[in-house]
Amino acid sequence: TQLLEQSPQFLSIQEGENLTVYCNSSSVFSSLQWYRQEPGEGPVLLVTVVTGGEVKKLKRLTFQFGDARKDSSLHITAAQTGDTGLYLCAGIYLNTGFQKLVFGTGTRLLVSP
Amino acid sequence: NAGVTQTPKFRILKIGQSMTLQCAQDMNHNYMYWYRQDPGMGLKLIYYSVGAGITDKGEVPNGYNVSRSTTEDFPLRLELAAPSQTSVYFCASSAAGGGEKLFFGSGTQLSVL
Repeated sequence: TQLLEQSPQFLSIQEGENLTVYCNSSSVFSSLQWYRQEPGEGPVLLVTVVTGGEVKKLKRLTFQFGDARKDSSLHITAAQTGDTGLYLCAGIYLNTGFQKLVFGTGTRLLVSP
Repeated sequence: NAGVTQTPKFRILKIGQSMTLQCAQDMNHNYMYWYRQDPGMGLKLIYYSVGAGITDKGEVPNGYNVSRSTTEDFPLRLELAAPSQTSVYFCASSAAGGGEKLFFGSGTQLSVL
């Protein structure tokens, strides 16, 4: 069973601060996705990283896929209150001929003004 | 743009009752999924479907059943509801298998008392 552990579980910061969220596993994934979920809504895809060592930027968000494709990080620069939400990583792996997706445990981010 | 539509939004069941959670998508996606999300946790896959007439179990299928008679609809049936099934249920769809962007509905909050 593939497991994805995220850390920290909860993060409360002030607007303008920087933060990093980690997503770790002992399993290798073919690709990895990051989602953000707001209260009362379903998760929304932010990015997919495919190549080991890949770095993708989405405005103030920087995503990195580990060289061994077992881990990933999300760095937010100068956090804003609009970044508040639950951040979920999701690893994609091949199982019985079908590519499956497993979600991480989630990191809840609260950005205060 | 409707995307993925889930009904109902909220439901309270008594132990032993049954109900069906409805999910419909208008994007002509072949792949559809049912996830449950327990408080403060990531998402666990209940069942998925790769096309009309084809369904398969996910990580936590016990106590649930699904059917996929059309491309658009993927209902989730709870038989003999138990308190352990108290959760938020999300339906999702994608154009292809793992690695493709998942589109989520806004969820059904279910309490079994």
